[in-house]
Amino acid sequence: DSGVTQTPKHLITATGQRVTLRCSPRSGDLSVYWYQQSLDQGLQFLIQYYNGEERAKGNILERFSAQQFPDLHSELNLSSLELGDSALYFCASSVRLAGVGSEQFFGPGTRLTVL
Amino acid sequence: AQKITQTQPGMFVQEKEAVTLDCTYDTSDQSYGLFWYKQPSSGEMIFLIYQGSYDEQNATEGRYSLNFQKARKSANLVISASQLGDSAMYFCAMREGRGDYKLSFGAGTTVTVRA
Repeated sequence: DSGVTQTPKHLITATGQRVTLRCSPRSGDLSVYWYQQSLDQGLQFLIQYYNGEERAKGNILERFSAQQFPDLHSELNLSSLELGDSALYFCASSVRLAGVGSEQFFGPGTRLTVL
Repeated sequence: AQKITQTQPGMFVQEKEAVTLDCTYDTSDQSYGLFWYKQPSSGEMIFLIYQGSYDEQNATEGRYSLNFQKARKSANLVISASQLGDSAMYFCAMREGRGDYKLSFGAGTTVTVRA
């Protein structure tokens, strides 16, 4: 158990809908990262927050947004869902940004299926 | 251009033998970190080992060791005394030190341990 929690574990929804994925980082970790794992794109970085502020953006679609709250939990919002958004979404956290201790610990993931 | 290349899509290894998983990386940064993660069929991402670009010694964690050859830009993972529970997908990843602390992942290598 990495200490990172994600809910829900599975999500099945329809095209055009909006969903929210939730992540609680390990106790003491200030940095949260979101990744998407799909069969065709592999593991891709979406977005990073550090202590409530957006720190970096990757291949995140405009239909997707995220935020990190004062208690450090984070939510990833996916809207106008398309079939191609079906993927495993991971949240990861780390205590530091760089150097030893910057290992990112991943949550169990949320498997999103868009029908 | 691919930042992380894993050229072995799948490997078979006999129980109790060692296996080496190849990883080459591409960066112009002097400061970077290299990581290996394990993803069993259950889907979670498990952190295995970390090597910093300035670390002079190869990293080791139990049965895992990282063969870091900086000049060749390779960071191969060696799993010694393979166990059936080592059957999984293994990902090599890199964090570059430009302030954007995302992980860039390779395509992964599937390892199957045979009894």
